[in-house]
Amino acid sequence: EAQVTQNPRYLITVTGKKLTVTCSQNMNHEYMSWYRQDPGLGLRQIYYSMNVEVTDKGDVPEGYKVSRKEKRNFPLILESPSPNQTSLYFCASSLSRRSGGYTFGSGTRLTVV
Amino acid sequence: AQSVTQLGSHVSVSEGALVLLRCNYSSSVPPYLFWYVQYPNQGLQLLLKYTTGATLVKGINGFEAEFKKSETSFHLTKPSAHMSDAAEYFCAVSPNYGGSQGNLIFGKGTKLSVKP
Repeated sequence: EAQVTQNPRYLITVTGKKLTVTCSQNMNHEYMSWYRQDPGLGLRQIYYSMNVEVTDKGDVPEGYKVSRKEKRNFPLILESPSPNQTSLYFCASSLSRRSGGYTFGSGTRLTVV
Repeated sequence: AQSVTQLGSHVSVSEGALVLLRCNYSSSVPPYLFWYVQYPNQGLQLLLKYTTGATLVKGINGFEAEFKKSETSFHLTKPSAHMSDAAEYFCAVSPNYGGSQGNLIFGKGTKLSVKP
């Protein structure tokens, strides 16, 4: 089944403790992206990647890192999480940047205390 | 910069009534346009998209949307609401030129409630 898989689905952590949220897609998509969803703000893009080793900042990149060493994986790294990063995170992928229409993962609900 | 405005953060309709969710975008060049639906505790699912061609686009679950360039709008409609349509709906645009080409920019969402 074609899908985007995120792990974990739920995570509670403490301020300052480094964490990684994994994202993997099995559709050979070139384009991958991370979004955070907050009530009343919709979805805001954190980082995106157009292909292996090609990443760029979205609208809200502060406090996050990403890497794209393989085409299928696009992990999101929080080096020193803070409470304002408590949010619902989504990974998405698309065949290419121009193809339009993303496939989304099921989301990761992160709480930083 | 491109932006998307969804009018109404909450819309309530009766079962069987018309669903109309409004979306306007700001761009001098028409972007690609999308509607996504999010059911509780799930990710986003693509309902329909407009890139080029026919301005009336049909999607899944009986939804459709019409691109109106003169009004910079892409409103989502369904003739008859069903209880299973209760969800949050997001309009999104994707610039088809420039450095932001391909990136999805989302509206803030409209939560649809369906009353029995």
